[in-house]
Amino acid sequence: DSGVTQTPKHLITATGQRVTLRCSPRSGDLSVYWYQQSLDQGLQFLIQYYNGEERAKGNILERFSAQQFPDLHSELNLSSLELGDSALYFCASSVGGVQETQYFGPGTRLLVL
Amino acid sequence: LAKTTQPISMDSYEGQEVNITCSHNNIATNDYITWYQQFPSQGPRFIIQGYKTKVTNEVASLFIPADRKSSTLSLPRVSLSDTAVYYCLDTNAGKSTFGDGTTLTVKP
Repeated sequence: DSGVTQTPKHLITATGQRVTLRCSPRSGDLSVYWYQQSLDQGLQFLIQYYNGEERAKGNILERFSAQQFPDLHSELNLSSLELGDSALYFCASSVGGVQETQYFGPGTRLLVL
Repeated sequence: LAKTTQPISMDSYEGQEVNITCSHNNIATNDYITWYQQFPSQGPRFIIQGYKTKVTNEVASLFIPADRKSSTLSLPRVSLSDTAVYYCLDTNAGKSTFGDGTTLTVKP
C-alpha cells in the first residue's frame, strides 16, 4: 500500500459524458501527478501540481483538466469523453520536486462505451 | 520531450542476474535516473534512484557511467515474482517522462 488513494476504482460511462477522478496523496506529500496508461500508449504523463499550483504539463488534452485543492487532494476532470479515453488513470504523489520518489495509487480504470 | 529508450522485452530464468539497460540521450545536468517496476493493473513502484556511479539497495543495483547517457538496472538472482514491466525515468524541464518499459519474463 503506497498511501495514495484513488476513487473510484472502476468507471463505466458513455461517449460525450464528463467524469471526475479523485486522488488523495500520501500524508505530507505536496506534489500530485496524473498519468494515463492505455494499451497502445504506455504510461503518459498528464500534469503535475505542487501545493495547489500547476507545475508541469505533459500530453494532456484540452478536454481534460485538473486541480489540486487546499487540502492537497486532486481531481482530474475528463469531458466530452471518447472511446479512446478508455484507460487506466494513475495518480502519484511525492514530497516535493520531480526528482523525488513518486508513490503511485492503485489507479482508476475508465471504460468509455 | 525527452524520452528514454530501453529494450521492449527480456527473458530470464530463476536464480539468474538480470541487467536492463536504458538510454538517456537528453538527460539534463540536474536530473536523476529512477527505475520503477509495474505489475499488471497496478501502479508503478519505485525500485532505485541514482545520479552517477553505482547505487545499491536491498533489491537492486543501478550503474550509471560518467557521461550519464545510459543506466543499467541489475536484479540479482531473479525469481518468478520479478516478472513485470520495468521503466527507467529521467526528468526534463520538470516533466516526468517514462520510457516504453521493458517486459521482463522470468521462467522456472
